[in-house]
Amino acid sequence: EAGVVQSPRYKIIEKKQPVAFWCNPISGHNTLYWYRQNLGQGPELLIRYENEEAVDDSQLPKDRFSAERLKGVDSTLKIQPAELGDSAVYLCASSFAGGDEQYFGPGTRLTVT
Amino acid sequence: GQSLEQPSEVTAVEGAIVQINCTYQTSGFYGLSWYQQHDGGAPTFLSYNALDGLEETGRFSSFLSRSDSYGYLLLQELQMKDSASYFCAVRLSGSARQLTFGSGTQLTVLP
Repeated sequence: EAGVVQSPRYKIIEKKQPVAFWCNPISGHNTLYWYRQNLGQGPELLIRYENEEAVDDSQLPKDRFSAERLKGVDSTLKIQPAELGDSAVYLCASSFAGGDEQYFGPGTRLTVT
Repeated sequence: GQSLEQPSEVTAVEGAIVQINCTYQTSGFYGLSWYQQHDGGAPTFLSYNALDGLEETGRFSSFLSRSDSYGYLLLQELQMKDSASYFCAVRLSGSARQLTFGSGTQLTVLP
């Protein structure tokens, strides 16, 4: 069974540029999460989807971050414009609805210069 | 808000037993999870405790005391490959699928 797929794995951009991350969850997983992980810290939830509905986006900086999961399967997280402080690893995870275990993808390491 | 406390670093030798503690302060606690993350890798699920007591899975065990707002991860027969970061994460009852992670414990296993 394929795990959570994310692309790209690495991205280097200049500040003020836009960037997008893509995630394909495990087949059959209704719930999809986007996390941000800063160096030496635990993952921090940005947004959670149940199917195509964003049910928890309270931690998403909405002035510059946006996300979508149009058909309830894969998802895109966008930052526009990027700031230096956005440098981090962006992790996508998925789970069955109500599941105790979340399955994480390998993440996208973003460096903003 | 929520807060979790776990040691930042732990060092042990191969074959030993190590315990990583986690204390939490939350409103609406539902359960405690543990995840392992190797450098540059994805967090992977180790265990979940919703009830008080000890859960054992192979060399790893996890314990929860809801009355003490405390849990721990116990790793036995340490191997070099166990060197990684270990995160405790609380699952909240208000939004039951949301996890709030601690800052992680870096475990180094020495030969």
